[in-house]
Amino acid sequence: QQQVKQSPQSLIVQKGGISIINCAYENTAFDYFPWYQQFPGKGPALLIAIRPDVSEKKEGRFTISFNKSAKQFSLHIMDSQPGDSATYFCAASKNSGYALNFGKGTSLLVTP
Amino acid sequence: ETGVTQTPRHLVMGMTNKKSLKCEQHLGHNAMYWYKQSAKKPLELMFVYSLEERVENNSVPSRFSPECPNSSHLFLHLHTLQPEDSALYLCASSQVGGAGYEQYFGPGTRLTVT
Repeated sequence: QQQVKQSPQSLIVQKGGISIINCAYENTAFDYFPWYQQFPGKGPALLIAIRPDVSEKKEGRFTISFNKSAKQFSLHIMDSQPGDSATYFCAASKNSGYALNFGKGTSLLVTP
Repeated sequence: ETGVTQTPRHLVMGMTNKKSLKCEQHLGHNAMYWYKQSAKKPLELMFVYSLEERVENNSVPSRFSPECPNSSHLFLHLHTLQPEDSALYLCASSQVGGAGYEQYFGPGTRLTVT
């Protein structure tokens, strides 16, 4: 069973727009929620991560919003640029464990 | 980008071959991971080594055999693979016991089984 559900599967956004990717989880023991960015031919790279003691974390144009009661978290990319075109993965894990449970990924295309 | 390296980057092998994938991390981490990435599927954790001991093995077929000789190196030995094993194999490392479990990935080995 998939522990982290991610949507949408693909997303097209115009340059300067806001890209929004959503994830939902079931296991309330999860306490670490990273987002990874993957370009073709490369491995996933850690973009930003959040723990459930805060509802939002911002790093530059990237923001994670976290809703503990709804068991949902999302990635917002402000002022999206063509260079942001990549596949984005959300993940969740327990602090006591090793496994990162990944979503299926969202393929983002930012058009000029 | 160069914190975790993987060789080879591409590998084509027949079902009767034996080959090995190599991973090296230069980050001083104490845990290393093998993941399988297939199209339209989530990344699948295969094996975890912490302090050079295997701590997780997620029901991976025995035709995949990991080896961790020290904290910087990880191998995945392959034999009698099936075409459905064709995928991108990713290695990752992390520092367990620290403030978080940030995993850093290598570029992957694109494996094709013919």
